[in-house]
Amino acid sequence: GAVVSQHPSRVICKSGTSVKIECRSLDFQATTMFWYRQFPKQSLMLMATSNEGSKATYEQGVEKDKFLINHASLTLSTLTVTSAHPEDSSFYICSARDRGRYEQYFGPGTRLTVT
Amino acid sequence: GQQLNQSPQSMFIQEGEDVSMNCTSSSIFNTWLWYKQDPGEGPVLLIALYKAGELTSNGRLTAQFGITRKDSFLNISASIPSDVGIYFCAGSSGGYQKVTFGIGTKLQVIP
Repeated sequence: GAVVSQHPSRVICKSGTSVKIECRSLDFQATTMFWYRQFPKQSLMLMATSNEGSKATYEQGVEKDKFLINHASLTLSTLTVTSAHPEDSSFYICSARDRGRYEQYFGPGTRLTVT
Repeated sequence: GQQLNQSPQSMFIQEGEDVSMNCTSSSIFNTWLWYKQDPGEGPVLLIALYKAGELTSNGRLTAQFGITRKDSFLNISASIPSDVGIYFCAGSSGGYQKVTFGIGTKLQVIP
């Protein structure tokens, strides 16, 4: 149980384009999903917290107009990187929390490369 | 904000040896979580701790929630090559609050 999937696993895009990453909880209802960014050899940095049916809460320094988050259902959250630039290249990981539980379960991550 | 200090940052051990790593916080946590991350993958939850003093095992892994609520440790007994990876501690001040992650401990096991 507690399986989280992400799609795509890898994406290469050109500078200026937008990329959408999907995060799905496969066997539980995720009332809350989290989006993290991880640079090589570094820890996970929380970008935003999204609750189903409401606006995401962004961490300080994260541009909400650049990183659009939608959590339209209890099993799906999406992160759209708009007008991507090379500095947005990173490993993006989502996590989901089951209703009534405290643990976060992570997806396998998405490697974004902006050329 | 909350800060987590995780140590050691890296370690090399011989297969079969026991391993210990710990995390300390600048503030009180009510939940401690330990994750393992393999290269290019998302973290996998190993152990979750909810009570001060709690000692929990998962196979060869044992973790404890410190009495002061500001620290936790993870022990791995009889290490094997597949234990290689980066181990992260994570804590939160409340059940549904966001978690803060440590910087990770990179473990390498020499066969």
